[in-house]
Amino acid sequence: NAGVMQNPRHLVRRRGQEARLRCSPMKGHSHVYWYRQLPEEGLKFMVYLQKENIIDESGMPKERFSAEFPKEGPSILRIQQVVRGDSAAYFCASSPPTGASYEQYFGPGTRLTVT
Amino acid sequence: SQQGEEDPQALSIQEGENATMNCSYKTSINNLQWYRQNSGRGLVHLILIRSNEREKHSGRLRVTLDTSKKSSSLLITASRAADTASYFCATDEAGNMLTFGGGTRLMVKP
Repeated sequence: NAGVMQNPRHLVRRRGQEARLRCSPMKGHSHVYWYRQLPEEGLKFMVYLQKENIIDESGMPKERFSAEFPKEGPSILRIQQVVRGDSAAYFCASSPPTGASYEQYFGPGTRLTVT
Repeated sequence: SQQGEEDPQALSIQEGENATMNCSYKTSINNLQWYRQNSGRGLVHLILIRSNEREKHSGRLRVTLDTSKKSSSLLITASRAADTASYFCATDEAGNMLTFGGGTRLMVKP
């Protein structure tokens, strides 16, 4: 059973470009969480999704950021018109249908660098 | 200030010594977890302690939880150079997200 997969592992974008980060949850998991980690800090919750639904986006910046988890395919975190402050590691976690928040399995992260 | 703050922020010890890290939180929790993160890598789940538990062991790890003080500690005994990493506590309050502290950066010198 493969773990949570994230790609790309490293992404470099120039200011103003778009960044698309992908997360494939563990097999059988239908809940996905996105977290952001700034350098030297802990992870901060961004958004919680189930298939085709955003359940909680209280941690998402109001502009430029969006997330989706379609019926088929990976979850996508999209950042439009990236700025230097978006440089961070973005982690995805998945949990089984019971949705217990402590059962979150983390992917290896995508490290976004905005130049 | 945020839920789940670790103390100290940085800790440097010699191999073989014990390392103790503390975590404080503000609201009621269901569970508290500790994670390790090697530099530039993902999170490794270490141990989960439930709100009705007071102490838990896993190998060289010992975690305590004091819900009256809203605090937890992680003890790593007989540390090794390979234990060098950042350690984070995470709590799950109401809702579905985990709330992480800022982490303790542990350096174990050989």
